[in-house]
Amino acid sequence: GAGVSQSPRYKVTKRGQDVALRCDPISGHVSLYWYRQALGQGPEFLTYFNYEAQQDKSGLPNDRFSAERPEGSISTLTIQRTEQRDSAMYRCASSYRRTAHNEQFFGPGTRLTVL
Amino acid sequence: AQKVTQAQTEISVVEKEDVTLDCVYETRDTTYYLFWYKQPPSGELVFLIRRNSFDEQNEISGRYSWNFQKSTSSFNFTITASQVVDSAVYFCALSEAYRDNYGQNFVFGPGTRLSVLP
Repeated sequence: GAGVSQSPRYKVTKRGQDVALRCDPISGHVSLYWYRQALGQGPEFLTYFNYEAQQDKSGLPNDRFSAERPEGSISTLTIQRTEQRDSAMYRCASSYRRTAHNEQFFGPGTRLTVL
Repeated sequence: AQKVTQAQTEISVVEKEDVTLDCVYETRDTTYYLFWYKQPPSGELVFLIRRNSFDEQNEISGRYSWNFQKSTSSFNFTITASQVVDSAVYFCALSEAYRDNYGQNFVFGPGTRLSVLP
């Protein structure tokens, strides 16, 4: 079956622009997670959803970052007024159950470059 | 707050050698889960194993084995008879659950880059 998909795969934007990154989880997966991975580092937790409810957004760096999952399936991570330090790989993962104790299936990521 | 340390930044071995990747974690929870993920050069993250804090039994899967030691807060990963295809970055991760409304944290270590030379 289809895995987690993310779009776009690559995004180049100018500083100050808003970007929206999309994640399409595996069908039927309850939980959805967003991570940011800088080059040479491990993924850093940003936020996660169970169904449409955002359960934890403690990892979002500041109020320029927001995420939604209005129908409990597709999710969008939005970064407003992008800055160069936002450049990173943004990864989405989904899980069959509601807690992170279960295997997370990761998407291919969106490579964001802010010029 | 939880933390995961992978002290080995990079390891190089020659094919067929055994190699152990270290992972040390910190948590105040009594209930937690540990994971290993593999990130090959293609960039995807591949789940390898999950372990809960109540199960210290070591696990073997083919050439892979894991040694969980609560006394030293370690969850080490050994590849036996390494192969070139094992070359990747390996991440150890820790998840602990709050006791209400499924709040949680999932923390990855910085990763260990393994290069297996032919």
